Amino acid sequence: DVKVTQSSRYLVKRTGEKVFLECVQDMDHENMFWYRQDPGLGLRLIYFSYDVKMKEKGDIPEGYSVSREKKERFSLILESASTNQTSMYLCASSLPTPEGRTFFGQGTRLTVV
Amino acid sequence: AQKVTQAQTEISVVEKEDVTLDCVYETRDTTYYLFWYKQPPSGELVFLIRRNSFDEQNEISGRYSWNFQKSTSSFNFTITASQVVDSAVYFCALSEGYNTDKLIFGTGTRLQVFP
Repeated sequence: DVKVTQSSRYLVKRTGEKVFLECVQDMDHENMFWYRQDPGLGLRLIYFSYDVKMKEKGDIPEGYSVSREKKERFSLILESASTNQTSMYLCASSLPTPEGRTFFGQGTRLTVV
Repeated sequence: AQKVTQAQTEISVVEKEDVTLDCVYETRDTTYYLFWYKQPPSGELVFLIRRNSFDEQNEISGRYSWNFQKSTSSFNFTITASQVVDSAVYFCALSEGYNTDKLIFGTGTRLQVFP
């Protein structure tokens, strides 16, 4: 069974903390993504990666960075967490083909206090 | 610019009713893909369907059916004889070109099916 696994379901962090959200996929997918989901706004793309050590900004990259040292792992980093980064974060992966489907993790609900 | 609009924020129905979720998209590309995803309370988005811009045939899968109309830029989703297990947030999404990587999502429609 294909799997995208996010390390935490729920996370509470303090303002100013450095936060790491981890995501692992077991499907050998080249593409990996981080989305943010907020009520009334749907899912918005933060960053994506087409290959190891490659990354591109999505629609809302400000305040975030990413790391992809291994093909199966894609980390989202909040350098200095702020309350407006309280949200649901979804990781996803896909194959780079027209037939490719995007698979999502179960999400991490981050609260910054 | 690409955009996906799901005008219905929330829909409530009683079990066994039919329900249609609307999706309207904007794109300048002639080649694109449209998707529907379901997000149950567990949080994980579940893929339902992918349709490419060259295939306007409607599709039926069990109680689910999809109506793709390029003339109105719509890709509507109908659930026939709804069940409580259909309660979820449903997202319509768009990707452009032959690369289906980057998805542009609508804001989602929350469907509540009451027994």
